[in-house]
Amino acid sequence: AIQMTQSPSSLSASVGDRVTITCRASQGIRNDLGWYQQKPGKAPKLLIYAASTLQSGVPSRFSGSGSGTDFTLTISSLQPEDFATYYCLQDYNYPLTFGGGTKVEIK
Amino acid sequence: QLQLQESGPGLVKPSETLSLTCTVSGGSISSSNYHWGWIRQPPGKGLEWIANIFYSGSTYYNPSLKSLVTISVDTSKNQFSLKVSSVTAADTAVYYCASRGLRPERFDYWGQGILVTVSS
Repeated sequence: AIQMTQSPSSLSASVGDRVTITCRASQGIRNDLGWYQQKPGKAPKLLIYAASTLQSGVPSRFSGSGSGTDFTLTISSLQPEDFATYYCLQDYNYPLTFGGGTKVEIK
Repeated sequence: QLQLQESGPGLVKPSETLSLTCTVSGGSISSSNYHWGWIRQPPGKGLEWIANIFYSGSTYYNPSLKSLVTISVDTSKNQFSLKVSSVTAADTAVYYCASRGLRPERFDYWGQGILVTVSS
């Protein structure tokens, strides 16, 4: 199975900060990667798929990049509603595997 | 817009079978544009993919769970289901059903989740 390593596992940031989360695959996965946001007690929400395609309705401050083994989720200006846990998911092959998650907390 | 809703018992005894159903509305489970999947999340932990199914019956399982898990689809009811046999406390989790859009693949719609506790 492909292992997805996310970093950092947590971070503290202020409103307005630029935040970057990375995900590394144990082997090349082309651009078959998605990013999900999860708030406490809620289901995950799709933010980005195919590494860089913004899901409909998701604010443009979210962006994704990367291909092969290294991927990045960037929040250009952190908003209060962005404090949550973020997960990457490789869609390249089965079994589908998630990263361990990055918790974004208020500084 | 698709809506998904999980249903099933919230408490299952060890060694018994956990059975969950996901009801899909706002679209047909027979659509060739979707797979249908289950994902779980133990309390305080990360997400784990369990299985996917296509309306035709094609299935994909997480090998770490495969021998204990069965996913099925009922097109007449617009539902798909999950069974996990011989459960232990390690199967205690929030179980989510989700639609998996194809080309490119992604989990685009999710149910709200259902907490299943394994305890005697």
